[in-house]
Amino acid sequence: DTAVSQTPKYLVTQMGNDKSIKCEQNLGHDTMYWYKQDSKKFLKIMFSYNNKELIINETVPNRFSPKSPDKAHLNLHINSLELGDSAVYFCASTPLSDSYGYTFGSGTRLTVV
Amino acid sequence: QKEVEQNSGPLSVPEGAIASLNCTYSDRGSQSFFWYRQYSGKSPELIMSIYSNGDKEDGRFTAQLNKASQYVSLLIRDSQPSDSATYLCAVRKSGAGSYQLTFGKGTKLSVIP
Repeated sequence: DTAVSQTPKYLVTQMGNDKSIKCEQNLGHDTMYWYKQDSKKFLKIMFSYNNKELIINETVPNRFSPKSPDKAHLNLHINSLELGDSAVYFCASTPLSDSYGYTFGSGTRLTVV
Repeated sequence: QKEVEQNSGPLSVPEGAIASLNCTYSDRGSQSFFWYRQYSGKSPELIMSIYSNGDKEDGRFTAQLNKASQYVSLLIRDSQPSDSATYLCAVRKSGAGSYQLTFGKGTKLSVIP
């Protein structure tokens, strides 16, 4: 199936831990993103990345870092997790075109305890 | 002014009625506009895109765009209980190489049987 896949779907961890969320797309898209959706359903951009450029939302703490081993993968690594990091994290991808929206992954619900 | 604004709702309509969802945006140079549907616990799903002033129809859905008023709307005809979800308006800003979407906070729609 062509899709954007994220793992894990659920992640429960203690404060201070380091964790990673993986994202893979087999759609041949050029650009990938990470969004954070808070409890009020607001989707906020964290990073956008293609094989040429990483754009970081300046409000994202530097504890968050994207890692892209290749064009089809964009992983999210989080250091020193805090309670406020609890949210749903969505990976998405799009071709390099104004005419297409995103294809989203299924999301990772992160709970920091 | 927020970049993309939507009424948070909830918007309740009876089954079979027309649901009208509204969105305004601040960047006058925005070029592409999208409506996503998000069921509880699921990822956003693209349902409509619109790029030119006027109406665009797809089945029971009609997207309307008025760039002069910086306004985009989604009409759902013959609303069904299965349409109950949060609807997210997304706007692609102008600018070379900018494929990032900015989302509104979403409008929760409830269709009452």
